[in-house]
This record gives sequence, C-alpha cells and structure tokens, in this order.
Amino acid sequence: SYELTQPPSVSVSPGQTASITCSGDKLGDKYVCWYQQKAGQSPVMVIYQDSKRPSGIPERFSGSNSGNIATLTISGTQAMDEADYYCQAWDSSTVVFGGGTKMTVL
Amino acid sequence: EVQLVESGGGLVQPGGSLRLSCAASGFTFSIYWMHWVRQAPGKGLVWVSRINSDGSTTNYADSVKGRFTISRDNAKNTLFLQMNSLRAEDTAVYYCARESIVPTITGMDVWGQGTTVTVSS
Repeated sequence: SYELTQPPSVSVSPGQTASITCSGDKLGDKYVCWYQQKAGQSPVMVIYQDSKRPSGIPERFSGSNSGNIATLTISGTQAMDEADYYCQAWDSSTVVFGGGTKMTVL
Repeated sequence: EVQLVESGGGLVQPGGSLRLSCAASGFTFSIYWMHWVRQAPGKGLVWVSRINSDGSTTNYADSVKGRFTISRDNAKNTLFLQMNSLRAEDTAVYYCARESIVPTITGMDVWGQGTTVTVSS
C-alpha cells in the first residue's frame, strides 16, 4: 500500500519560515493536499493541487510537489499557525494521509 | 451555512456494532462524494471509506473492509457508517468529510466536528 512520510515535529520561531515535508514514491505524479488541525478542532484544508490555497487561507501558506517530496511552507509564521499538519494524496481509489507533523511556534 | 454534524458514537464492547450518522446541510448533498476519516487518541488522520454521490460506488481501507459499510440517504441528506465486529483499535474520533466537487482539488473541503467511538469491555 502507498505510504506518505512526514517528520513527527518541526519548530519555528515567530516570523520565520517553516517547511514541512511529505515523501512518497513518485509523489510528484500525484496531486497533494495539506490540512491544518489545531488542538481539539477538525482538520481544515490549507493547500490543494500541490500549491493552491482555498478561499480564506492566508497567503503565507504555500506548497510545492516534485519528485518524491511535497513541501508545505509557512512564511512569516504566527503563533496561530501552531497545529498538526497532514499531507494527503490518492492511491488508486483510496485516500492516503501522512502521519502528521506537529508544528510548534516557539 | 455549509455544515456536517456527526452522531451515533459511544461506548461499545469488542465484537459489537455501532451506526454513525452524518447530517449535511447548506449544500446539495446528493451531488457530492463523501468520506469517513478517523483519528485514534493522540494519533493521526486515517481514511476509512468513501461513497459516490448516488451510493453505487464505495471504497474502504483494508483495516475495515468486510466489517464497515458506508451508505447514504440523499432524500434525508445523511451519510452513514455501519460498524460491525468492532475492535479496540477502532477506538477513534470519526469525522465525516465532503470531497470537493472540483476535480483538481482532490481533497476534502468540509469536515464535521467528529463523533467519538470507544471500543472497550
């Protein structure tokens, strides 16, 4: 079965840039979505089609996907961005999520 | 307002059954594919199942295949998940989620608040 691998945690200082990776075999051939889940809340889509932002998502969220790695980048990180982040792709007719990355804003 | 509201969670013994519901409002439910996603305590998101708009096509994660059944009632704007032969490892918050209707978005653009299922004796 297809697997997506994320680092368990990343830390970033306020105002700095955070990058969260998601790796999978030939992931660049698939579209990747990213979700943000704050403590005690439901997930929210922050990136779709590798790099596009849904309405209402701040411009500081961006994404890329090439080769075997997709990356979520958060520029000018704010305290409110502290959350768990999950990548998601499709494997045939099933959905696959990465294991999640806990981002701490120190 | 677009909304998904899950219900039906609770405490059940191993080997037991439970039926989850997800009531949709604020959008045309009958044209969307729908999903169930679960999250065990302190763990990540895990996809469970999906169903197409008219209920004729379903897909399942290997971990629930043969035990769980997804279905829908478009007349009542409701999604269901029938869970049988429950195991301790099925303990999780279960979310229903709407799959975006835009083909290139390939993700879930609306999520419910989740309902908690605990499998324990």
